[in-house]
Amino acid sequence: QVQLVESGGGVVQPGRSLRLSCAASGFTFSAYDMHWVRQAPGKGLEWLTVISYHGSNKYYGDSVKGQFIISRDNSKNTLYLQMNSLRVEDTAVYYCARDPSSAHVNPGVFDYWGQGTLVTVSS
Amino acid sequence: EIVLTQSPATLSVSPGERATLSCRASQSVSSNLAWYQQKLGQAPRLLIYGASTRATGIPARFSGNGSGTDFTLTISSLQSEDFAVYYCQQSNSWPPLYTFGQGTKLEIK
Repeated sequence: QVQLVESGGGVVQPGRSLRLSCAASGFTFSAYDMHWVRQAPGKGLEWLTVISYHGSNKYYGDSVKGQFIISRDNSKNTLYLQMNSLRVEDTAVYYCARDPSSAHVNPGVFDYWGQGTLVTVSS
Repeated sequence: EIVLTQSPATLSVSPGERATLSCRASQSVSSNLAWYQQKLGQAPRLLIYGASTRATGIPARFSGNGSGTDFTLTISSLQSEDFAVYYCQQSNSWPPLYTFGQGTKLEIK
């Protein structure tokens, strides 16, 4: 079965960096675009970034452009999110999600999600 | 950025009754609209994509409708497990700049 397991969250001081990982299993990871989505405590969902299946194309939401970097290692079935210059407002649960885009499904749908990892930015 | 506005913010419905949730886009998103269900402490779950196609394993009591700027999610006969927060999400932007609505909390009346 499809599994996505995030890790790397924790408490970090403002201005510091953190790298999240998302380990994928149960499907051919290298065939799917992948996303990161976050949710601040008690708030709604915010799409952050997407990377194409081959890793060549990357797009970012305005709130994290120039601050976060998405990458992947298809040999390790792992997705990453490098978060730099963290701010208090980056405190959230971070989810990775799979994009099922195909001939039948347009890109930008999230069909499987990890359980999330909590990042707390605080001094 | 395409803004999605969901209404109402909270909907109180009795089990067995029908619930209708709305999502309005600030500009046309064609049929590139999805719905997700999120229960407390859990990740979201995909219910509907392409405005009206049920995702794998989603019961037939969930249905989506609409195109352009106005969309609805209908749950025909509410079960206890359906009380949750529901989000709409658009994927019509290019380059990708996907956005979610603010959510509708469906609570037991």
